[in-house]
Amino acid sequence: ETGVTQTPRHLVMGMTNKKSLKCEQHLGHNAMYWYKQSAKKPLELMFVYNFKEQTENNSVPSRFSPECPNSSHLFLHLHTLQPEDSALYLCASSQDWRENEKLFFGSGTQLSVL
Amino acid sequence: DAKTTQPNSMESNEEEPVHLPCNHSTISGTDYIHWYRQLPSQGPEYVIHGLTSNVNNRMASLAIAEDRKSSTLILHRATLRDAAVYYCILSVRNAGNMLTFGGGTRLMVKP
Repeated sequence: ETGVTQTPRHLVMGMTNKKSLKCEQHLGHNAMYWYKQSAKKPLELMFVYNFKEQTENNSVPSRFSPECPNSSHLFLHLHTLQPEDSALYLCASSQDWRENEKLFFGSGTQLSVL
Repeated sequence: DAKTTQPNSMESNEEEPVHLPCNHSTISGTDYIHWYRQLPSQGPEYVIHGLTSNVNNRMASLAIAEDRKSSTLILHRATLRDAAVYYCILSVRNAGNMLTFGGGTRLMVKP
């Protein structure tokens, strides 16, 4: 148990559906991250929030919409996804955005887009 | 950005030490070296990090070459639970906490 909880663990959705991934951390951290891990590809950083403000958006398509209502919660809203978006979506947190802060990851949401 | 090079896979026997190499020949003087590992069906977890001196913690040791162009993660006694993908990553100064994961080394531990 890392202190970062992601729900749901598995999600199957059609291309016209709208769904949301949820991440919650109980570590008192101020920075939260979304990563994408596709099969046979390295982890890709998608978004970073520091003190609820988005600090990084790595050219992610607009069909992925992050939301960070407070430092403990992070959402990833999904709409009109493509089959190639099927992947493991990982949430992480760290004390803050400074370099060399340890990242704590959740177990991820395995997403399948049909 | 400085890149790292790791073997795709390695094998080890249980109870024996494991040395996982990482090359980072273009490392700059202020880049830290981080190691994370990812167990099956889990997110990555932090293992260790360092700058110049060798580092030890309860999980592993990190040996950094004098010229810093390579490093080695040392697991002193491999267990079956250590079977995972191990990532060697460089952090870039003044780039925030952005770690770029590569392909890593898949460590297999034989009983």
